[in-house]
Amino acid sequence: ELKVEQNPLFLSMQEGKNYTIYCNYSTTSDRLYWYRQDPGKSLESLFVLLSNGAVKQEGRLMASLDTKARLSTLHITAAVHDLSATYFCAVAGGTSYGKLTFGQGTILTVHP
Amino acid sequence: KAGVTQTPRYLIKTRGQQVTLSCSPISGHRSVSWYQQTPGQGLQFLFEYFSETQRNKGNFPGRFSGRQFSNSRSEMNVSTLELGDSALYLCASSISGHEKLFFGSGTQLSVL
Repeated sequence: ELKVEQNPLFLSMQEGKNYTIYCNYSTTSDRLYWYRQDPGKSLESLFVLLSNGAVKQEGRLMASLDTKARLSTLHITAAVHDLSATYFCAVAGGTSYGKLTFGQGTILTVHP
Repeated sequence: KAGVTQTPRYLIKTRGQQVTLSCSPISGHRSVSWYQQTPGQGLQFLFEYFSETQRNKGNFPGRFSGRQFSNSRSEMNVSTLELGDSALYLCASSISGHEKLFFGSGTQLSVL
């Protein structure tokens, strides 16, 4: 059974600081996703990582994937308040198509 | 291009009743997945449909069922509602299920 674990689960950051969220998964996968969720809202897709060594960046967020270590990271650079949200990683395994296994989520709070 | 549309947005039911939720995917998307989100269990996969066929099913009791129509619209049904079924139900669509999933705003179900 595929398991996905994120850490930390709670992250309180000061504006301007850098930090990394980690996502470990238990079995081989060819697709890893990062989503953002604001309170009371749906999931917004941030990144799709498809191969070992994949790195994608959008604004202050950068995601990477190491399939050998079964690890993905979401790095936040110079955090701003607008980044406050819950971040989820999700993994799809094999031919599971629309079936994603989600991590627990990381609640990020950025304060002045 | 319209996004994934879920109706209704909010629903209040009592124990023992049944409920039907609706999801209209993005035009051209043939894969529709359903997820349940609760504070305690997080995001859990319910089922996925492609071309009117259920391709994957999560670990939920038989009270949870779904279907997909020829126009790719999907419905999920929960019979004999229990208090623990209170959750945000999210629908996601993709072209074939093997790409990025786009999520709807969800249906917030409260069971009293």
